[in-house]
Amino acid sequence: GNSVTQMEGPVTLSEEAFLTINCTYTATGYPSLFWYVQYPGEGLQLLLKATKADDKGSNKGFEATYRKETTSFHLEKGSVQVSDSAVYFCALTLSGGYNKLIFGAGTRLAVHP
Amino acid sequence: DAGITQSPRHKVTETGTPVTLRCHQTENHRYMYWYRQDPGHGLRLIHYSYGVKDTDKGEVSDGYSVSRSKTEDFLLTLESATSSQTSVYFCAISESGGGRSYNEQFFGPGTRLTVL
Repeated sequence: GNSVTQMEGPVTLSEEAFLTINCTYTATGYPSLFWYVQYPGEGLQLLLKATKADDKGSNKGFEATYRKETTSFHLEKGSVQVSDSAVYFCALTLSGGYNKLIFGAGTRLAVHP
Repeated sequence: DAGITQSPRHKVTETGTPVTLRCHQTENHRYMYWYRQDPGHGLRLIHYSYGVKDTDKGEVSDGYSVSRSKTEDFLLTLESATSSQTSVYFCAISESGGGRSYNEQFFGPGTRLTVL
């Protein structure tokens, strides 16, 4: 079946460190891929997206590239800030699937000064 | 921010009681979704709606029912709540749901439900 696997957390980093959160997927057809972020006590917000192979999504210094050959969509940021502390979810939708999201388990990021 | 509200925001109830959660949107989006969030599972789809009175089951629909009598409201009902339904429930909306073009889902603030 269709699924998303992302690295377990928590991930703890110092401010200005490099961030990578791994995400791989299993899907039939051609999924669109997303990263959502959830700040404490809030709902989810879309961080970035990619709709086809080799697309790079980017937003707020975060980037992720849709790699069809490795079925991956790893999230990266060159220099994290304390304000990036949140839970990050990788997700996919399938074309013709009513835009239903399939989520990974989430990765908690804690950034310390 | 997308106009999505959920009510109540917090609820504590007892096993066996009925519970209804409400999602209200002011965006006139066609598609609405209910997810539950549990540690280690991320968010999982309970039910979704693709128009007024048009609904379908998601991944974890057992024990839940939904109704959508107006574009702006999507209700989630637990007919007889169980402790396994203790969770955080999120509503989401989307302008369109099909084809290869991407349409963002906007999420509400969530409802924390505790079933004792």
